[in-house]
Amino acid sequence: AQKITQTQPGMFVQEKEAVTLDCTYDTSDPSYGLFWYKQPSSGEMIFLIYQGSYDQQNATEGRYSLNFQKARKSANLVISASQLGDSAMYFCAMSPRGTGNQFYFGTGTSLTVIP
Amino acid sequence: DTAVSQTPKYLVTQMGNDKSIKCEQNLGHDTMYWYKQDSKKFLKIMFSYNNKELIINETVPNRFSPKSPDKAHLNLHINSLELGDSAVYFCASSQGARHSNQPQHFGDGTRLSIL
Repeated sequence: AQKITQTQPGMFVQEKEAVTLDCTYDTSDPSYGLFWYKQPSSGEMIFLIYQGSYDQQNATEGRYSLNFQKARKSANLVISASQLGDSAMYFCAMSPRGTGNQFYFGTGTSLTVIP
Repeated sequence: DTAVSQTPKYLVTQMGNDKSIKCEQNLGHDTMYWYKQDSKKFLKIMFSYNNKELIINETVPNRFSPKSPDKAHLNLHINSLELGDSAVYFCASSQGARHSNQPQHFGDGTRLSIL
């Protein structure tokens, strides 16, 4: 069975500080992709960052980086230098190769950036 | 030049009615999806089409029927609407069903409210 777990329903961070949003996953498929999406209060889903299961290096995209620990089956999102506009829901998703690029989403973490 | 567009953005209707949501993507992607996001923000796959062929059909009541006239369009028709159908419905597309490394690109969602 495929499973994605986000254990932090809500997080707060001071503006300009870094924050880590946790994500653990479970799959028996050796090949999979891990994704993070941002959903602001306006409702759209914005793709942030991707990590492949065979990638040797952690993915980075601007202020976003993915702390990928394969043995622990974790794919935490790190946001550096938080901005007020980072306040949103953040979803972790997994796509096992054998599932037709089907995404399994976590329950999300609501991040609030405090000025 | 919206990549994935869905209409309508809001849909308010009475229980028992039949309604449709339309989705179009101009990204040249082969695969399209429908997701349901419930009141707790949980996102769950409903259907996926690859080149007009149904490839994912999760446990969804048969009142929901997807239709893909071509690979750029995936519409969702819902018969005999029930209170529990109230949710946000997202359309998404991706490069191909055989790849686990392709992000899905989401439309802005359709907020369906059943009175």
